[in-house]
Amino acid sequence: EDKVVQSPLSLVVHEGDTVTLNCSYEVTNFRSLLWYKQEKKAPTFLFMLTSSGIEKKSGRLSSILDKKELFSILNITATQTGDSAVYLCAVKSSSASKIIFGSGTRLSIRP
Amino acid sequence: SAVISQKPSRDICQRGTSLTIQCQVDSQVTMMFWYRQQPGQSLTLIATANQGSEATYESGFVIDKFPISRPNLTFSTLTVSNMSPEDSSIYLCSVVDRGYYEQYFGPGTRLTVT
Repeated sequence: EDKVVQSPLSLVVHEGDTVTLNCSYEVTNFRSLLWYKQEKKAPTFLFMLTSSGIEKKSGRLSSILDKKELFSILNITATQTGDSAVYLCAVKSSSASKIIFGSGTRLSIRP
Repeated sequence: SAVISQKPSRDICQRGTSLTIQCQVDSQVTMMFWYRQQPGQSLTLIATANQGSEATYESGFVIDKFPISRPNLTFSTLTVSNMSPEDSSIYLCSVVDRGYYEQYFGPGTRLTVT
């Protein structure tokens, strides 16, 4: 059965810290891995990763995929209180149109 | 990326009634999906909304409870029928841009059933 596992489930850090969120997956015919940020209702798209070893970067956020070890990490440097959110990892297979979500990591940034 | 709107943004409904949620996209999209997110949970796919044909439902979801329409490539509706308190959730419309693998979400509808 396809699955996506995120860790940790929750994380509390101080403003300015650097955090690493983990996502491991098992899926048939992997196509892409997606990261989202969810603050209130709608998840906001962050990154889509399809190739191993190529870092995607947007400001203080970056992500990389390892297709051999079947995982991805999302890094946030110099965290700010506005980074507090649930971060969702999702995986799409080429054999199915749907994406499978992990349970999310709830990140809280303390001032 | 596609701009997605949903109506209503929130509603409080009585047990036994039905609510229809609308999803409008500003461009033609290949695929549209409906998700549910119950309190404290991750997203669960309800169904894929197919243009011009019946939706494809995931295990645990049935057409009688969650009828879906998709009359064209930019619009879809989800109805939550005969509601119970267990249907209290955020309902999210999601689309895949034509030719791309990225998937985007609408702003969501927060439903409370009393």
